[in-house]
Amino acid sequence: DQQVKQNSPSLSVQEGRISILNCDYTNSMFDYFLWYKKYPAEGPTFLISISSIKDKNEDGRFTVFLNKSAKHLSLHIVPSQPGDSAVYFCAASASGNQFYFGTGTSLTVIP
Amino acid sequence: NAGVMQNPRHLVRRRGQEARLRCSPMKGHSHVYWYRQLPEEGLKFMVYLQKENIIDESGMPKERFSAEFPKEGPSILRIQQVVRGDSAAYFCASSLAGVSYNEQFFGPGTRLTVL
Repeated sequence: DQQVKQNSPSLSVQEGRISILNCDYTNSMFDYFLWYKKYPAEGPTFLISISSIKDKNEDGRFTVFLNKSAKHLSLHIVPSQPGDSAVYFCAASASGNQFYFGTGTSLTVIP
Repeated sequence: NAGVMQNPRHLVRRRGQEARLRCSPMKGHSHVYWYRQLPEEGLKFMVYLQKENIIDESGMPKERFSAEFPKEGPSILRIQQVVRGDSAAYFCASSLAGVSYNEQFFGPGTRLTVL
């Protein structure tokens, strides 16, 4: 039962353009969401988070948007850079003991 | 200020052997989480531990898998009598406090291959 879904396994974007990565969830009790970035042969690294009391959180080139009614969040990267090429995971928690992760979206930024 | 350490980075075992994976959390972190990533899949939660306590092991298979986080030393994920299906990347994460509103910092992972 996949409670967090990333329906696009891959995305290619031209350098300098915007990258939009999407994530959908099914559990309305989720109240904290995070995005992680993962390079091959490394562990995920934390990027940005948002709590359910907000609908937007911005950190430099990264912005996360949360639409609670649609149970949808997205990560915007602008401008995209080649170094952003990685797998991006979204994760969600319901104030419990675990995060539920999506299956990841592989982003390729083309120079 | 060292991050989360995992060793070994790569582990090869034959079917039926035991695998021991170690995780040292970030300094000051007392919450440890283990995840498994199968090929082409996302991270799946296995177990959440605090020092000397298992808080949530709902994601861990009932047989052959166990985890501990002793008062001193690293957290250990132990897999007995490994099978080919156990081949995966195992990631450990630590956090300063519990899951709520706290990010987890991940180690580089241990890649287990069962022959």
